Amino acid sequence: GENVEQHPSTLSVQEGDSAVIKCTYSDSASNYFPWYKQELGKRPQLIIDIRSNVGEKKDQRIAVTLNKTAKHFSLHITETQPEDSAVYFCATVPAGSYQLTFGKGTKLSVIP
Amino acid sequence: DAGVTQSPTHLIKTRGQQVTLRCSPKSGHDTVSWYQQALGQGPQFIFQYYEEEERQRGNFPDRFSGHQFPNYSSELNVNALLLGDSALYLCASSREGTQYFGPGTRLTVL
Repeated sequence: GENVEQHPSTLSVQEGDSAVIKCTYSDSASNYFPWYKQELGKRPQLIIDIRSNVGEKKDQRIAVTLNKTAKHFSLHITETQPEDSAVYFCATVPAGSYQLTFGKGTKLSVIP
Repeated sequence: DAGVTQSPTHLIKTRGQQVTLRCSPKSGHDTVSWYQQALGQGPQFIFQYYEEEERQRGNFPDRFSGHQFPNYSSELNVNALLLGDSALYLCASSREGTQYFGPGTRLTVL
């Protein structure tokens, strides 16, 4: 089955700096790559997603890039703010499957 | 527009008991997936229901079962509870793709 590795497990940045979280996956048939943000005690919230026919997608301060050849995708957050502090999860869905397979998460702390 | 809702919010059970968790999907969604999230981990897929049938199942024992009703709401049942079943149980609803999560049910097994 699919295996998703996520790095780093923790990340601290100064407010205003950029943050990058990277995920690698094993199943070359994966074709959907969402990112979820989970604040303490709350539900995972979809923040951005990308499909395999697109290399990059941007939404204001958040962007996701996908390299299908290398089987990795990354989340980029620019101009970080304290409210960006949360645990971020990457996930994949292989073609023909309905299952989200998650990475172990990255705890992002934005220091004011 | 109501989002995904789950009940109850918290639940405390003892080993060997049975539990039923409930999920109402977002308006317009017809598919419900269930995930188990242990502390400090990513959610793990239990199963997905579509058209009142289990469409796909993850690596969970038969003690975990579910149901989907004609109004698309869903239940997760866990029998013979073990201490290791303590977790946050999340449901996610979708319609042809993107999954949106509910707030979860925190299950504690003593």
